[in-house]
Amino acid sequence: EPEVTQTPSHQVTQMGQEVILRCVPISNHLYFYWYRQILGQKVEFLVSFYNNEISEKSEIFDDQFSVERPDGSNFTLKIRSTKLEDSAMYFCASSNQASGSGDTQYFGPGTRLTVL
Amino acid sequence: AQSVTQLDSQVPVFEEAPVELRCNYSSSVSVYLFWYVQYPNQGLQLLLKYLSGSTLVKGINGFEAEFNKSQTSFHLRKPSVHISDTAEYFCAVTEGGSQGNLIFGKGTKLSVKP
Repeated sequence: EPEVTQTPSHQVTQMGQEVILRCVPISNHLYFYWYRQILGQKVEFLVSFYNNEISEKSEIFDDQFSVERPDGSNFTLKIRSTKLEDSAMYFCASSNQASGSGDTQYFGPGTRLTVL
Repeated sequence: AQSVTQLDSQVPVFEEAPVELRCNYSSSVSVYLFWYVQYPNQGLQLLLKYLSGSTLVKGINGFEAEFNKSQTSFHLRKPSVHISDTAEYFCAVTEGGSQGNLIFGKGTKLSVKP
């Protein structure tokens, strides 16, 4: 069964450093998402991406964040200058159609980011 | 704005007992509702979803949920749980016709004891 994969599973970085989290969505999916979950808190939406551009983003997704689909398979989240409060589990998800049509989002296993 | 409340952060239950995990949502527009499960060290997996039609929705692993519009609830139930159901369960909502970003509740940790 096709699945969303994410690398690395765990990333440790120093405050102020740039990190890139990588995701490979399901191959025929067209909509891509990033979410994060700070320990003990809700899973929060960050950004959605369709047709090579951001379709929606939350207040969390400020200028420090960017997303890219550099080729036909990868979907990346870059944090330009990490802060302590960026420590969280980051989930990538993909769907064939927009979930606002009822389509299911398929989630990856997550990348745990620890900022020291 | 939409929001989701999962009233119980932890639910301990004995094996073969029934369980209900509660979810309430608030929204001023039509919504689609989802339940996801997260097993340890794994990603979120869809259990079931409500789009329209019958208010009782059946999902994988013997789970079902009932959509109640008047009470703005979407509680998850299973008549007899197994040890393997131990996991964290997330209720989520998305606005119909939107790009589909999911709004999640805080999750409920279900712990099934022998």
